[in-house]
Amino acid sequence: EAQVTQNPRYLITVTGKKLTVTCSQNMNHEYMSWYRQDPGLGLRQIYYSMNVEVTDKGDVPEGYKVSRKEKRNFPLILESPSPNQTSLYFCASSLFGDYGYTFGSGTRLTVV
Amino acid sequence: EDQVTQSPEALRLQEGESSSLNCSYTVSGLRGLFWYRQDPGKGPEFLFTLYSAGEEKEKERLKATLTKKESFLHITAPKPEDSATYLCAVQAKMIKAAGNKLTFGGGTRVLVKP
Repeated sequence: EAQVTQNPRYLITVTGKKLTVTCSQNMNHEYMSWYRQDPGLGLRQIYYSMNVEVTDKGDVPEGYKVSRKEKRNFPLILESPSPNQTSLYFCASSLFGDYGYTFGSGTRLTVV
Repeated sequence: EDQVTQSPEALRLQEGESSSLNCSYTVSGLRGLFWYRQDPGKGPEFLFTLYSAGEEKEKERLKATLTKKESFLHITAPKPEDSATYLCAVQAKMIKAAGNKLTFGGGTRVLVKP
């Protein structure tokens, strides 16, 4: 089944404790992207990647890092999480820019 | 800066009561306008892409249309299973090829009562 898989689905952590949210797609898509979804603010892009080793900032990149060492994987790294990073995170992938993104099921992160 | 505004924020419909959702946008050259459906606790599910004014696309009870300033998602004779949040997003033509960003609106929550 074609899909984008994120892990974990739920995560509660403490301020400052480094964490990684994994994302993997099995569709051989070039484009991958991370979004966060917050009430009243909608979905906002954090980082995107158009291919292996090619990444760039989205609208809200502060406090996040990404890497794209393999085409299928695009992990999101929070080096020192803070409470304002409490949010619902989605990874997404797309074959080319003009096609709709396929989204993962989401990771609900709470930073206390 | 690209902007997307969706209205209404919420919509309550009786089963069979057709209605339309609005998505107004401003973008520096439209590459594509996307409609997604999102169920609670799940990721957005792709519905349609529209590329140019006058274009229309249909899927079951949903029909999306596009003008130069807005898009409409028409729901014909909705059923309770059509209850969801519907998201609109635009993608701008960008010089840099890596600019694949989608700018989303706030969504319209649709509740269809039997």
